[in-house]
Amino acid sequence: KAGVTQTPRYLIKTRGQQVTLSCSPISGHRSVSWYQQTPGQGLQFLFEYFSETQRNKGNFPGRFSGRQFSNSRSEMNVSTLELGDSALYLCASRPGTSGGYNTGELFFGEGSRLTVL
Amino acid sequence: DAKTTQPPSMDCAEGRAANLPCNHSTISGNEYVYWYRQIHSQGPQYIIHGLKNNETNEMASLIITEDRKSSTLILPHATLRDTAVYYCIVFRAAGNKLTFGGGTRVLVKP
Repeated sequence: KAGVTQTPRYLIKTRGQQVTLSCSPISGHRSVSWYQQTPGQGLQFLFEYFSETQRNKGNFPGRFSGRQFSNSRSEMNVSTLELGDSALYLCASRPGTSGGYNTGELFFGEGSRLTVL
Repeated sequence: DAKTTQPPSMDCAEGRAANLPCNHSTISGNEYVYWYRQIHSQGPQYIIHGLKNNETNEMASLIITEDRKSSTLILPHATLRDTAVYYCIVFRAAGNKLTFGGGTRVLVKP
């Protein structure tokens, strides 16, 4: 079974630009979460999508957005990039349920490392 | 979700057991203890989780105290490939996110 795939693995952008990152979850997984990892703030939750709906969001500005497609693949977008957006962006998937019990066992991808100059 | 406290770093000798402590004194009855690790430049990897009882799998053992206010992750025979940052996380079963703290940076030495 293929793992979580994130593309691109590395990218360099300049301030003011926008970026789109892609995540393909494990086959059959309907929940996709995004995390940002920086040396200063550690791993921080961005948002989670389930069945094309965002059902939880972290404390990030509106420049950070995402979406999920009917095949569970997800993208996240960051507009008007700032130097502080330089980070490792991690995607994680799990089977997910529509409510009630959700496992905390997430399967993470290798991440997309974004550098903003 | 309840907060966790872990030592920032620890060393371990190769071949010996590594015991990683975690304090979660405000844990609620419906919250689980999860452990992840992150090897340099990779995504976090799930290790093990538990609610009340001790748990063991092929990677590690998890010992949870009777009052559930603390736990210990045990790597029975540490190898150099176990060098990583280990995160202890309290997770509510109906929750949708993991809250990562600073973790413990474990260095396994030959």
